[in-house]
Amino acid sequence: DTGVSQNPRHKITKRGQNVTFRCDPISEHNRLYWYRQTLGQGPEFLTYFQNEAQLEKSRLLSDRFSAERPKGSFSTLEIQRTEQGDSAMYLCASTKWDRDGAYYEQYFGPGTRLTVT
Amino acid sequence: GQNIDQPTEMTATEGAIVQINCTYQTSGFNGLFWYQQHAGEAPTFLSYNVLDGLEEKGRFSSFLSRSKGYSYLLLKELQMKDSASYLCAVRGPGNTPLVFGKGTRLSVIA
Repeated sequence: DTGVSQNPRHKITKRGQNVTFRCDPISEHNRLYWYRQTLGQGPEFLTYFQNEAQLEKSRLLSDRFSAERPKGSFSTLEIQRTEQGDSAMYLCASTKWDRDGAYYEQYFGPGTRLTVT
Repeated sequence: GQNIDQPTEMTATEGAIVQINCTYQTSGFNGLFWYQQHAGEAPTFLSYNVLDGLEEKGRFSSFLSRSKGYSYLLLKELQMKDSASYLCAVRGPGNTPLVFGKGTRLSVIA
């Protein structure tokens, strides 16, 4: 257990439905990242937050995807009108960041496995 | 852009040593990471290199050559539990998000 939790762990949904995932990072971590991972691939960056501000979004993040971190603590990732191609493991990671650029490792949560039928 | 290349699969014998290579081309560089990922689980951090040379941590060591865009992860005294995927990831300049390779699936056999 890394201290990062994600819910649900598994989600099966029908194409066209909306889904929302939650990530609770390590409490003192100010940066939170979302990744997507498909079978046989490494994690692909989707978006990240510094406190409550969303600082960067990948081109992978279509308009159907939205993420929030309203109070700078937990984060949600919503996918609207799901498609079969959205089936993947959605990973959340958190880390501490400070201005001196010191290195801090990213701690990953267990992931939410999404299956779109 | 960034491109990271590592072998897809490797097999090694219990008790042996294995070296997993990673090459990268990046527009900037601010550190290279190795993560271990067991099937169905989250990646867990193994090592971090930002300067050239070897970093040793128990049975695991990681090497970096920035001029060659090359790193390797060395696993000694292999155990069955080391069977997992090993992910190489690079961080670009300005603390940008990590870019991961596709991972190397290591199978340790008796």
